[in-house]
Amino acid sequence: QVQLVESGGGVVQPGKSLRLSCAASGFTFSSYSLHWVRQAPGKGLEWVALISYDGGNEYYADSVKGRFTISRDSSKNTLYLQMNSLRTEDTAVYYCVRNSGYDLGDALDIWGQGTMVTVSS
Amino acid sequence: DIQMTQSPSSLSASVGDRVTITCRASQSLSQSFRSYLNWYQQTPGKAPKLLIYAASNLQNGVPPRFSGSGSGTDFTLTISSLQPEDSATYYCQQSYSTPYTFGRGTNLEIK
Repeated sequence: QVQLVESGGGVVQPGKSLRLSCAASGFTFSSYSLHWVRQAPGKGLEWVALISYDGGNEYYADSVKGRFTISRDSSKNTLYLQMNSLRTEDTAVYYCVRNSGYDLGDALDIWGQGTMVTVSS
Repeated sequence: DIQMTQSPSSLSASVGDRVTITCRASQSLSQSFRSYLNWYQQTPGKAPKLLIYAASNLQNGVPPRFSGSGSGTDFTLTISSLQPEDSATYYCQQSYSTPYTFGRGTNLEIK
């Protein structure tokens, strides 16, 4: 069964750091690019970051560039999001998402259940 | 960045109705006979679910009452005969270039 399971969310003070993890199973991890997408409470979806299947390329939304780092460990089938200098506006549910690949239009085809990050003093 | 404009922001329809949601991109999403436009459905408290990829391709397991069309900058999601379980928020999203932007969503309510 293809699955993505996020962990690491919680409550953190502004300016602090947090690292999210996403454990993948049921598919060949090293063959797929992966994203983080977030959703603030009551708001729409916001794409955050993308890492290529081999980890060689990373892309970020302007809102997180320079503060967040996406990475992956193929030996552990795990995706990460290191979040530094957190702001109140980073409060959201963070989803780990698989990229379907070129043949399927690079859609976001598998989503985790999400992990909540609350930035508050 | 590519801006995605989705309309309407909300609508209410009855079971059996035909419903159409539109999405317009600020630049063309089509290249080499493919359009990089996808549609998602999200119900409260749940993760989004892929419905349509590459503008008109139905994701595995999605009921055939859902369909997508369009090319270039203008796209539509159609539900041919609305069912109670279709009450949800629908998002369009472009995968043509990063940042992979989403529309602001359409909240579909069943009367």
